[in-house]
Amino acid sequence: DTEVTQTPKHLVMGMTNKKSLKCEQHMGHRAMYWYKQKAKKPPELMFVYSYEKLSINESVPSRFSPECPNSSLLNLHLHALQPEDSALYLCASSQPRYNEQFFGPGTRLTVL
Amino acid sequence: DAKTTQPTSMDCAEGRAANLPCNHSTISGNEYVYWYRQIHSQGPQYIIHGLKNNETNKMASLIITEDRKSSTLILPHATLRDTAVYYCIVRVPLWGYGGATNKLIFGTGTLLAVQP
Repeated sequence: DTEVTQTPKHLVMGMTNKKSLKCEQHMGHRAMYWYKQKAKKPPELMFVYSYEKLSINESVPSRFSPECPNSSLLNLHLHALQPEDSALYLCASSQPRYNEQFFGPGTRLTVL
Repeated sequence: DAKTTQPTSMDCAEGRAANLPCNHSTISGNEYVYWYRQIHSQGPQYIIHGLKNNETNKMASLIITEDRKSSTLILPHATLRDTAVYYCIVRVPLWGYGGATNKLIFGTGTLLAVQP
């Protein structure tokens, strides 16, 4: 299985809502990543988890809260988002020190 | 903090080779060059990577100049399904909790349009 899955595919939320994005992989990868991609822009790294511990936080606002419950799952909890947070949120996984990151299809988030 | 520059768009005739250039003049010695592509609204797909030697796989070839300041991705026989945004990326090593990890710094991308 060489796939990273993300749910939901689309999400619309109000600024006062709390929602979560989910990412799953069964490739045995021990590093997982969250990226944010605005329209017509390249992906930008948000968080890196290595061996289920938060390794890198790229100065992301606290309204985004990542969680890695086990080596296969990665969540992104969302609270009090702003309309400018509307974007495609991509999850990726890899072996921690090596090479290729496998990306999921993304969750398209719209904040009203 | 983009480390690569790419042309915004390119056209290529179907069946011909597509040559996509990338400049990375500030790349450091331990930073790899990666190429990914992204078909509309999908996740990026890995193509190839290299450090200083030329590389080839089933999808493409990567030619890196001797001074490592630029590289070219070559798709040998472009098809309509190769129409996508191609990102030239520098992989930067990082140290965080749990040891070594890495960060992909994406360039702005080249929209390759393969024409029939």
